[in-house]
Amino acid sequence: QKEVEQNSGPLSVPEGAIASLNCTYSDRGSQSFFWYRQYSGKSPELIMSIYSNGDKEDGRFTAQLNKASQYVSLLIRDSQPSDSATYLCAVELDTGRRALTFGSGTRLQVQP
Amino acid sequence: NAGVTQTPKFRILKIGQSMTLQCTQDMNHNYMYWYRQDPGMGLKLIYYSVGAGITDKGEVPNGYNVSRSTTEDFPLRLELAAPSQTSVYFCASRRGEGETQYFGPGTRLLVL
Repeated sequence: QKEVEQNSGPLSVPEGAIASLNCTYSDRGSQSFFWYRQYSGKSPELIMSIYSNGDKEDGRFTAQLNKASQYVSLLIRDSQPSDSATYLCAVELDTGRRALTFGSGTRLQVQP
Repeated sequence: NAGVTQTPKFRILKIGQSMTLQCTQDMNHNYMYWYRQDPGMGLKLIYYSVGAGITDKGEVPNGYNVSRSTTEDFPLRLELAAPSQTSVYFCASRRGEGETQYFGPGTRLLVL
């Protein structure tokens, strides 16, 4: 089992719809969770961080964390073609290695 | 602040050649990282450092070396380049555990 798992996609949604991206992780002791967006040929950029169970909203983005079920998700409301990118989930696993563990990413396509 | 900077942006190496990828951050971050990303794939951790004079191996350290003599700089050395090292290399930094990680723009390396 991979430590951080994401569906590779592509996830295709129409413009204006809600895109839902999911991520599961293996380590129940994990405390810090991050969503990054990566456009083709560019470096990852942070969208949101979340540390506590529940929802965290920032503009059109909502991160949801459920530590008991070991999943974190990202909702993108009113999806725009400019949201088309790969979304990376990153988790600070409780392994002693002081580095984030990244999922392989979900490619999102927003159709105009 | 320039953030995380990387040089060069692109390099072609012949098999067996050596080179150093440079990474500098001006945010006074303690933690620094090197990743590689193959086409269509996720990020793989090569090496990381939690402070000057301290380095540790990641998932894929073979064929690479690092040093951390200052807080700002974290160069990655490739010895005896091989075609399998063709990839995009990202440097990243963050203040500490649980903190947001920032990426440099990347170095595209082609080994022929």
